[in-house]
Amino acid sequence: QKEVEQNSGPLSVPEGAIASLNCTYSDRVSQSFFWYRQYSGKSPELIMSIYSNGDKEDGRFTAQLNKASQYVSLLIRDSQPSDSATYLCAVDLGGSYIPTFGRGTSLIVHP
Amino acid sequence: GAVVSQHPSWVICKSGTSVKIECRSLDFQATTMFWYRQFPKQSLMLMATSNEGSKATYEQGVEKDKFLINHASLTLSTLTVTSAHPEDSSFYICSAADDSQQFFGPGTRLTVL
Repeated sequence: QKEVEQNSGPLSVPEGAIASLNCTYSDRVSQSFFWYRQYSGKSPELIMSIYSNGDKEDGRFTAQLNKASQYVSLLIRDSQPSDSATYLCAVDLGGSYIPTFGRGTSLIVHP
Repeated sequence: GAVVSQHPSWVICKSGTSVKIECRSLDFQATTMFWYRQFPKQSLMLMATSNEGSKATYEQGVEKDKFLINHASLTLSTLTVTSAHPEDSSFYICSAADDSQQFFGPGTRLTVL
């Protein structure tokens, strides 16, 4: 069965630390990978998209993709309390252009 | 980024009534729109994919006669929950896609009493 797996957490980190969020997926055909942030009661907002192996940086966020190992991660540097949210990983499993979402990881950044 | 709106943002209705939710792409034409449902502490579950001018494609386990989807134009898709029951209470989110990514609407919180 095709799946996107995330640890539901919560992941708790102190303010200023690096938060590391991980996601694994079930097939090798996937080409597009996305990280969304979702605040409680709100809809998801796109943070990063990544399509090639390696790192992609955007401000305090870095997405890392390893297709051979079938995982994608998101690093948040200098974490802030405002980063506290659920982070959803989405993958176009089987090469479908419709991403499949993981259950999300709850991140708590405490002062 | 592109803007997608949903209306209403929340609705409370009695069991047995029907509820219509609108999804609009405000600044681009979306050939494809998606409808998701999210229960508390669960992930987004795709309900159906809607293409302008054609019938929606429903995911397995989603009743097409209960969740009516109409995509009459490139900027508007509607989801009608017919004969709603308390178990239909959920957060319904639409998204509209251009060539590269999906843009999510703000969601509609449905509570069925």
